[in-house]
Amino acid sequence: DSGVTQTPKHLITATGQRVTLRCSPRSGDLSVYWYQQSLDQGLQFLIQYYNGEERAKGNILERFSAQQFPDLHSELNLSSLELGDSALYFCASSVEVGGTEAFFGQGTRLTVV
Amino acid sequence: QKEVEQDPGPLSVPEGAIVSLNCTYSNSAFQYFMWYRQYSRKGPELLMYTYSSGNKEDGRFTAQVDKSSKYISLFIRDSQPSDSATYLCAMEDDYGGATNKLIFGTGTLLAVQP
Repeated sequence: DSGVTQTPKHLITATGQRVTLRCSPRSGDLSVYWYQQSLDQGLQFLIQYYNGEERAKGNILERFSAQQFPDLHSELNLSSLELGDSALYFCASSVEVGGTEAFFGQGTRLTVV
Repeated sequence: QKEVEQDPGPLSVPEGAIVSLNCTYSNSAFQYFMWYRQYSRKGPELLMYTYSSGNKEDGRFTAQVDKSSKYISLFIRDSQPSDSATYLCAMEDDYGGATNKLIFGTGTLLAVQP
């Protein structure tokens, strides 16, 4: 158990809908990262927050947004969902700004039908 | 061309074999090199990380980085069936913390046969 908690574990939703994925980082970790893992693209970095502020952005779609709250938990919002958004979404956390020793949660498996 | 290339496998070896997993990369700015293990339907688990060039050993695992060739390796000695998983290499550049995203390889699926 990495100490990073993601909910829900599984999510099935229809195209055009909006979902929210939640992540609680390890105790004491200030950085939260979101990654998308699909069969054809592998693990892709989406976005990072550090102590409540956006720190780095990857190839995150405009339909996706995230935030980190004062208690350091983070949410990833996915809207206007398309079939191609079906993937595993992972959250990771680390103490430092750099993601060298990032610990991953178990992921949320999103299926868009 | 992807920044990080990794042979997807699958790689099948008998128990007790030495396993060699490799990644190549194109971005010379990468300074931190990591290996993650991912079991099916689980999150990636950090195995080892190395800063810059050189070797690092941890039990049955040895990580090697050759920056001149832009090539990294993970060796697993005395492989066990429990080592069966997907192994992902990951890299991070080192701009004083300005960028913190990990760039992952696509992963190599390893199966250790008892």
